[in-house]
Amino acid sequence: NAGVTQTPKFQVLKTGQSMTLQCAQDMNHNSMYWYRQDPGMGLRLIYYSASEGTTDKGEVPNGYNVSRLNKREFSLRLESAAPSQTSVYFCASSTTGARGNEQFFGPGTRLTVL
Amino acid sequence: AQTVTQSQPEMSVQEAETVTLSCTYDTSESDYYLFWYKQPPSRQMILVIRQEAYKQQNATENRFSVNFQKAAKSFSLKISDSQLGDAAMYFCAYKRGPGDSNYQLIWGAGTKLIIKP
Repeated sequence: NAGVTQTPKFQVLKTGQSMTLQCAQDMNHNSMYWYRQDPGMGLRLIYYSASEGTTDKGEVPNGYNVSRLNKREFSLRLESAAPSQTSVYFCASSTTGARGNEQFFGPGTRLTVL
Repeated sequence: AQTVTQSQPEMSVQEAETVTLSCTYDTSESDYYLFWYKQPPSRQMILVIRQEAYKQQNATENRFSVNFQKAAKSFSLKISDSQLGDAAMYFCAYKRGPGDSNYQLIWGAGTKLIIKP
């Protein structure tokens, strides 16, 4: 049981380049999330997907797009990377209902934009 | 808007001793969830303990327990018999609830816990 997996683990981009961060979960969770973590700060929600076929903006969505490909997979795309997007990115998933308040996290992707 | 504050950027404790990490939050909601997550150097975010606001009893998980003071909006984490493996960043988080539309976790800035051997 792998839980939440993310690829890649590390990435270096030049300003203006694009890339997609991949996330997959094998826990049959309905909801998935993308966060970024900056030094000295807690996690901030970028986008989330409450269920397959839906996506919504979080606290800091500008410069990002997401796709909920199916129930298992939720990708995050940077169309034109900027140095301000240098961060560690976490994907998470959760169930809904009474147990839907615990989020399970992937190992993170460290992204550097030069 | 809800906010979460962790006023201790760093704490240190001697191995086998007890340490308490502080967390305060601001909300106008009456029903919500509070969490402590641990992030070791591996970066993996791990749930340590969870508290439902409607429960007056403080949550405990082995060596980890909380002191939940709803009126004071305080949610501190006590780690007993500290072990070297407890060294990590600890994050306090808040979630509105219940309800399927309440998804966002609001996070504190974290406390770095150092364990001295």
